[in-house]
Amino acid sequence: GAGVSQSPSNKVTEKGKDVELRCDPISGHTALYWYRQSLGQGLEFLIYFQGNSAPDKSGLPSDRFSAERTGGSVSTLTIQRTQQEDSAVYLCASSLSGVSYEQYFGPGTRLTVT
Amino acid sequence: QKEVEQNSGPLSVPEGAIASLNCTYSDRVSQSFFWYRQYSGKSPELIMSIYSNGDKEDGRFTAQLNKASQYVSLLIRDSQPSDSATYLCAVSTMNTGFQKLVFGTGTRLLVSP
Repeated sequence: GAGVSQSPSNKVTEKGKDVELRCDPISGHTALYWYRQSLGQGLEFLIYFQGNSAPDKSGLPSDRFSAERTGGSVSTLTIQRTQQEDSAVYLCASSLSGVSYEQYFGPGTRLTVT
Repeated sequence: QKEVEQNSGPLSVPEGAIASLNCTYSDRVSQSFFWYRQYSGKSPELIMSIYSNGDKEDGRFTAQLNKASQYVSLLIRDSQPSDSATYLCAVSTMNTGFQKLVFGTGTRLLVSP
């Protein structure tokens, strides 16, 4: 079946602009996660959705970051007023339900802020 | 102390050898443990999950879990050059009050022909 998809695959933006990253999880997966991976670094947890609600937003680095999920499916991560330190690969994963279950990752969106 | 610790490597093994990758974690009540493989420039790919003490085998891969020692490992038998990648250990934790998956920084494995 289809895996997790993300768009765009690459995004180059100017400092100060807003960007939207999209994630489409595996069909039937109720849990969705956003992570960030900077060059040569580990995976940094950003936010977790169970259905449409986000019980854990503890990883969002600043109030410039927000995310929503509608219809229990597609999620968008929005970064407002982008900064150069936001440059990273943004990864989305989904699982059947909750973190006890196996998470499957999408291909990621490489964001470059110039 | 980091929540999940891995030796960054690189771990170099010859083709056909057994590669042993190790991971320790700090949350005593962690229940779910995963190994991911990440090729350079690609996203992590799940290769093994383990939930109870002991060994779990899947093809050339064996995951080992020891909750008393807070230790999880991955053995790769008959290593192939195509196994060269970074291996990420991931552990579920409740440290922030919500259950989440914490990833180690990964061990780079190099398998030489």
